Amino acid sequence: GAGVSQSPRYKVAKRGQDVALRCDPISGHVSLFWYQQALGQGPEFLTYFQNEAQLDKSGLPSDRFFAERPEGSVSTLKIQRTQQEDSAVYLCASTSIWTGGYEQYFGPGTRLTVT
Amino acid sequence: SQKIEQNSEALNIQEGKTATLTCNYTNYSPAYLQWYRQDPGRGPVFLLLIRENEKEKRKERLKVTFDTTLKQSLFHITASQPADSATYLCALDREYGNKLVFGAGTILRVKS
Repeated sequence: GAGVSQSPRYKVAKRGQDVALRCDPISGHVSLFWYQQALGQGPEFLTYFQNEAQLDKSGLPSDRFFAERPEGSVSTLKIQRTQQEDSAVYLCASTSIWTGGYEQYFGPGTRLTVT
Repeated sequence: SQKIEQNSEALNIQEGKTATLTCNYTNYSPAYLQWYRQDPGRGPVFLLLIRENEKEKRKERLKVTFDTTLKQSLFHITASQPADSATYLCALDREYGNKLVFGAGTILRVKS
C-alpha cells in the first residue's frame, strides 16, 4: 500500500464502552508499533509486534488495553471499559527490517474521545 | 528515569533565517537519534537519523548534530520557509527495530 492507514480516524465513545482501533501497515513491513499521543505531548510507546509476535507490551497502561496482529499484517488495538483518561490520539507505525533503515512510518492516527 | 527535553516554547522566526531546535536527554545512552515532523491532525513523518558514532548529518536544507558528551542534538533548517512551520519531534532508542522514546516536540512558526 501507499502508506500506513488507520481506521476510524475519529471515535467518540461513552465511558465504559469498548473500542477497537485498526491499523493497516505498509505491505511487507515486519514490525508494527502502537503509540498514544496526548495533546501537546510526543507519542508514547504502547506495544510492538514483529510479524504476529507481540515482543513488547510494556507501555500498555492497564489490562484494559489489548493488541493483536494474528496474521502478521493488520493489527487491532482494543480498549475495554474506556475511561476519560484514555482520550488521546492513537498512532500506528510500521518499519521494514529488510531496508536497513530504522525510521518508522506512521499512520494518521485515530483520535479517541471518551465522554 | 529517562528524560528527553525539547524547547517547550514555540520558535518564531522570519522566512529565510535558520531555525535551530534543541533536544537534550538524560539518563539515557541512545544508539541513534531521529527527528520527525508532525503537522496538525497527521502522524509524524521521518526526517533524519543520526547514529551515536556520527557527529553531523545533512539532507538538503536540514542538518542535525549529535553530541553524546553533552547529551544533546541540534536540528537546523536553513533558508526556512513558511511551509516548514510544524511541530518537530526528536526520538531516541538504544536498539535497532525497537520502540522510540519521543520528546514533547517544539512548534516552529516561520513568518513571511
